[in-house]
Amino acid sequence: LAKTTQPISMDSYEGQEVNITCSHNNIATNDYITWYQQFPSQGPRFIIQGYKTKVTNEVASLFIPADRKSSTLSLPRVSLSDTAVYYCLGAQGEIKAAGNKLTFGGGTRVLVKP
Amino acid sequence: DAGITQSPRYKITETGRQVTLMCHQTWSHSYMFWYRQDLGHGLRLIYYSAAADITDKGEVPDGYVVSRSKTENFPLTLESATRSQTSVYFCASRDGQGSYEQYFGPGTRLTVT
Repeated sequence: LAKTTQPISMDSYEGQEVNITCSHNNIATNDYITWYQQFPSQGPRFIIQGYKTKVTNEVASLFIPADRKSSTLSLPRVSLSDTAVYYCLGAQGEIKAAGNKLTFGGGTRVLVKP
Repeated sequence: DAGITQSPRYKITETGRQVTLMCHQTWSHSYMFWYRQDLGHGLRLIYYSAAADITDKGEVPDGYVVSRSKTENFPLTLESATRSQTSVYFCASRDGQGSYEQYFGPGTRLTVT
Protein backbone atom coordinates (compact mmCIF):
# COMPACT_ATOMS: atom_id res chain seq x y z
CA LEU A 1 0.00 0.00 0.00
CA ALA A 2 1.20 3.49 -0.80
CA LYS A 3 2.69 5.33 2.16
CA THR A 4 1.17 8.79 2.27
CA THR A 5 2.45 12.05 3.74
CA GLN A 6 0.24 15.06 4.35
CA PRO A 7 0.46 18.27 6.41
CA ILE A 8 -0.46 17.94 10.06
CA SER A 9 -2.77 20.94 10.11
CA MET A 10 -4.17 23.81 8.05
CA ASP A 11 -6.22 26.87 8.90
CA SER A 12 -8.70 28.51 6.57
CA TYR A 13 -11.61 30.96 6.61
CA GLU A 14 -15.22 30.51 5.69
CA GLY A 15 -15.86 30.83 1.96
CA GLN A 16 -12.29 30.06 0.96
CA GLU A 17 -11.08 27.11 -1.05
CA VAL A 18 -8.96 24.62 0.87
CA ASN A 19 -6.37 22.52 -0.92
CA ILE A 20 -4.69 19.64 0.90
CA THR A 21 -1.77 18.01 -0.85
CA CYS A 22 -0.76 14.45 -0.13
CA SER A 23 2.52 12.86 -1.20
CA HIS A 24 2.65 9.19 -2.12
CA ASN A 25 6.00 8.66 -3.82
CA ASN A 26 5.86 4.85 -3.74
CA ILE A 27 2.36 4.48 -5.13
CA ALA A 28 1.95 1.25 -7.08
CA THR A 29 0.48 0.95 -10.54
CA ASN A 30 -2.82 -0.44 -9.29
CA ASP A 31 -3.22 1.79 -6.20
CA TYR A 32 -6.10 4.21 -5.98
CA ILE A 33 -6.09 7.32 -3.82
CA THR A 34 -9.00 7.84 -1.47
CA TRP A 35 -9.83 10.61 0.96
CA TYR A 36 -11.84 10.40 4.14
CA GLN A 37 -13.17 13.04 6.52
CA GLN A 38 -13.53 12.55 10.26
CA PHE A 39 -15.35 14.75 12.73
CA PRO A 40 -14.67 14.47 16.47
CA SER A 41 -16.31 11.45 18.09
CA GLN A 42 -17.45 10.05 14.74
CA GLY A 43 -16.23 7.42 12.33
CA PRO A 44 -14.49 8.50 9.11
CA ARG A 45 -16.61 9.31 6.10
CA PHE A 46 -15.60 8.66 2.50
CA ILE A 47 -15.17 11.79 0.40
CA ILE A 48 -13.69 10.85 -2.94
CA GLN A 49 -11.44 8.41 -4.77
CA GLY A 50 -9.36 8.65 -7.92
CA TYR A 51 -6.71 7.00 -10.01
CA LYS A 52 -5.43 9.81 -12.22
CA THR A 53 -6.32 13.26 -13.58
CA LYS A 54 -9.31 14.92 -11.97
CA VAL A 55 -12.35 13.60 -10.20
CA THR A 56 -15.17 15.81 -8.93
CA ASN A 57 -18.24 15.08 -6.88
CA GLU A 58 -20.72 17.21 -4.97
CA VAL A 59 -18.35 17.59 -2.03
CA ALA A 60 -14.82 17.91 -3.38
CA SER A 61 -12.40 17.60 -6.27
CA LEU A 62 -9.37 15.38 -6.43
CA PHE A 63 -6.42 16.21 -8.66
CA ILE A 64 -3.82 13.56 -9.42
CA PRO A 65 -0.97 14.50 -11.78
CA ALA A 66 0.37 12.19 -14.45
CA ASP A 67 3.20 10.83 -12.29
CA ARG A 68 0.69 10.05 -9.51
CA LYS A 69 3.27 10.79 -6.80
CA SER A 70 0.96 13.29 -5.16
CA SER A 71 -2.67 14.26 -5.07
CA THR A 72 -4.60 17.34 -3.98
CA LEU A 73 -7.99 17.38 -2.35
CA SER A 74 -9.84 20.61 -3.04
CA LEU A 75 -12.74 21.72 -0.86
CA PRO A 76 -14.56 24.66 -2.44
CA ARG A 77 -15.96 27.46 -0.30
CA VAL A 78 -15.53 25.82 3.08
CA SER A 79 -17.83 26.48 6.00
CA LEU A 80 -17.33 26.09 9.74
CA SER A 81 -18.81 22.60 9.51
CA ASP A 82 -15.91 21.49 7.31
CA THR A 83 -13.61 21.64 10.32
CA ALA A 84 -12.40 18.05 10.57
CA VAL A 85 -9.47 15.72 10.04
CA TYR A 86 -8.89 14.70 6.43
CA TYR A 87 -7.10 11.46 5.61
CA CYS A 88 -5.35 10.61 2.38
CA LEU A 89 -5.04 6.86 1.86
CA GLY A 90 -3.75 4.45 -0.72
CA ALA A 91 -6.18 1.70 -1.64
CA GLN A 92 -4.51 -1.27 -3.18
CA GLY A 93 -5.56 -3.36 -6.06
CA GLU A 94 -8.78 -4.25 -7.73
CA ILE A 95 -11.88 -2.85 -6.12
CA LYS A 96 -13.37 -6.33 -5.88
CA ALA A 97 -10.27 -7.87 -4.39
CA ALA A 98 -10.71 -9.65 -1.12
CA GLY A 99 -9.10 -8.04 1.85
CA ASN A 100 -8.70 -4.64 0.33
CA LYS A 101 -7.40 -2.65 3.24
CA LEU A 102 -6.99 1.01 3.95
CA THR A 103 -4.00 2.33 5.84
CA PHE A 104 -4.80 5.53 7.70
CA GLY A 105 -2.01 7.95 8.48
CA GLY A 106 -2.16 10.88 10.85
CA GLY A 107 -4.37 13.01 8.64
CA THR A 108 -4.59 16.78 8.20
CA ARG A 109 -6.49 18.72 10.79
CA VAL A 110 -8.36 21.52 9.00
CA LEU A 111 -9.70 24.39 11.08
CA VAL A 112 -12.15 26.70 9.37
CA LYS A 113 -12.43 30.08 11.07
CA PRO A 114 -15.28 32.57 10.78
CA ASP B 1 -32.30 0.82 11.75
CA ALA B 2 -30.59 0.91 8.40
CA GLY B 3 -26.85 1.28 8.26
CA ILE B 4 -24.06 0.13 10.50
CA THR B 5 -24.39 0.11 14.26
CA GLN B 6 -22.06 -0.67 17.13
CA SER B 7 -22.79 -1.63 20.70
CA PRO B 8 -22.12 -0.70 23.35
CA ARG B 9 -21.15 2.89 22.60
CA TYR B 10 -19.23 3.17 25.86
CA LYS B 11 -17.70 0.45 27.98
CA ILE B 12 -15.54 0.39 31.06
CA THR B 13 -13.98 -2.90 32.01
CA GLU B 14 -11.24 -4.20 34.25
CA THR B 15 -7.91 -5.65 33.26
CA GLY B 16 -8.17 -9.36 32.55
CA ARG B 17 -11.86 -9.42 31.75
CA GLN B 18 -13.27 -10.59 28.45
CA VAL B 19 -15.31 -8.06 26.54
CA THR B 20 -17.14 -8.28 23.22
CA LEU B 21 -17.89 -5.36 20.96
CA MET B 22 -20.75 -5.83 18.54
CA CYS B 23 -21.09 -4.61 14.98
CA HIS B 24 -24.15 -4.99 12.79
CA GLN B 25 -24.77 -3.80 9.22
CA THR B 26 -27.99 -3.94 7.24
CA TRP B 27 -26.62 -3.66 3.69
CA SER B 28 -25.39 -7.25 3.33
CA HIS B 29 -21.94 -5.91 2.51
CA SER B 30 -19.37 -8.60 1.92
CA TYR B 31 -16.47 -6.94 3.68
CA MET B 32 -16.31 -5.88 7.29
CA PHE B 33 -13.46 -4.34 9.26
CA TRP B 34 -12.44 -3.49 12.79
CA TYR B 35 -10.17 -0.53 13.52
CA ARG B 36 -8.89 1.07 16.66
CA GLN B 37 -8.09 4.73 17.02
CA ASP B 38 -5.93 6.02 19.81
CA LEU B 39 -5.89 9.63 20.92
CA GLY B 40 -4.32 11.85 18.31
CA HIS B 41 -3.66 9.03 15.88
CA GLY B 42 -5.12 7.61 12.74
CA LEU B 43 -6.95 4.31 12.55
CA ARG B 44 -5.22 0.96 12.65
CA LEU B 45 -6.77 -2.19 11.22
CA ILE B 46 -7.27 -5.03 13.70
CA TYR B 47 -9.13 -7.68 11.68
CA TYR B 48 -11.17 -7.85 8.55
CA SER B 49 -13.56 -10.27 6.90
CA ALA B 50 -14.27 -10.84 3.22
CA ALA B 51 -17.43 -12.90 3.81
CA ALA B 52 -19.13 -15.04 6.41
CA ASP B 53 -16.66 -17.47 7.98
CA ILE B 54 -13.70 -15.76 6.28
CA THR B 55 -11.55 -13.55 8.49
CA ASP B 56 -7.96 -12.36 8.43
CA LYS B 57 -5.55 -10.38 10.54
CA GLY B 58 -4.86 -6.73 10.05
CA GLU B 59 -2.06 -4.58 11.40
CA VAL B 60 -2.64 -5.05 15.16
CA PRO B 61 -4.49 -8.35 15.82
CA ASP B 62 -2.79 -9.50 19.02
CA GLY B 63 -5.20 -9.86 21.95
CA TYR B 64 -8.31 -9.79 19.76
CA VAL B 65 -10.57 -12.48 18.34
CA VAL B 66 -13.25 -12.12 15.68
CA SER B 67 -15.93 -14.30 14.20
CA ARG B 68 -18.42 -13.90 11.41
CA SER B 69 -21.09 -16.56 11.36
CA LYS B 70 -23.58 -14.24 9.66
CA THR B 71 -22.90 -11.68 6.94
CA GLU B 72 -24.42 -8.83 8.91
CA ASN B 73 -22.57 -9.33 12.21
CA PHE B 74 -18.88 -9.03 13.02
CA PRO B 75 -18.20 -9.14 16.77
CA LEU B 76 -14.78 -8.29 18.19
CA THR B 77 -13.69 -9.96 21.43
CA LEU B 78 -10.90 -8.91 23.73
CA GLU B 79 -10.06 -12.19 25.42
CA SER B 80 -8.26 -10.69 28.41
CA ALA B 81 -8.42 -6.91 28.32
CA THR B 82 -5.29 -4.87 28.97
CA ARG B 83 -4.89 -1.15 29.60
CA SER B 84 -3.16 -0.79 26.24
CA GLN B 85 -6.44 -1.78 24.61
CA THR B 86 -8.12 1.36 25.89
CA SER B 87 -9.17 2.99 22.65
CA VAL B 88 -12.03 3.91 20.36
CA TYR B 89 -13.05 1.00 18.18
CA PHE B 90 -14.66 1.50 14.79
CA CYS B 91 -16.38 -1.11 12.70
CA ALA B 92 -16.74 -0.59 8.95
CA SER B 93 -18.19 -2.36 5.94
CA ARG B 94 -18.02 -2.12 2.16
CA ASP B 95 -19.69 -3.93 -0.69
CA GLY B 96 -16.55 -4.51 -2.71
CA GLN B 97 -18.17 -3.55 -5.98
CA GLY B 98 -18.01 -0.02 -7.32
CA SER B 99 -15.61 1.80 -5.01
CA TYR B 100 -13.25 1.64 -2.09
CA GLU B 101 -15.76 3.41 0.08
CA GLN B 102 -16.02 2.01 3.57
CA TYR B 103 -18.96 2.87 5.78
CA PHE B 104 -18.00 3.38 9.39
CA GLY B 105 -20.03 2.87 12.51
CA PRO B 106 -20.26 5.44 15.31
CA GLY B 107 -17.55 3.79 17.37
CA THR B 108 -17.24 2.20 20.81
CA ARG B 109 -15.17 3.97 23.42
CA LEU B 110 -13.55 1.30 25.58
CA THR B 111 -11.71 2.03 28.79
CA VAL B 112 -9.75 -0.71 30.52
CA THR B 113 -8.95 0.07 34.15
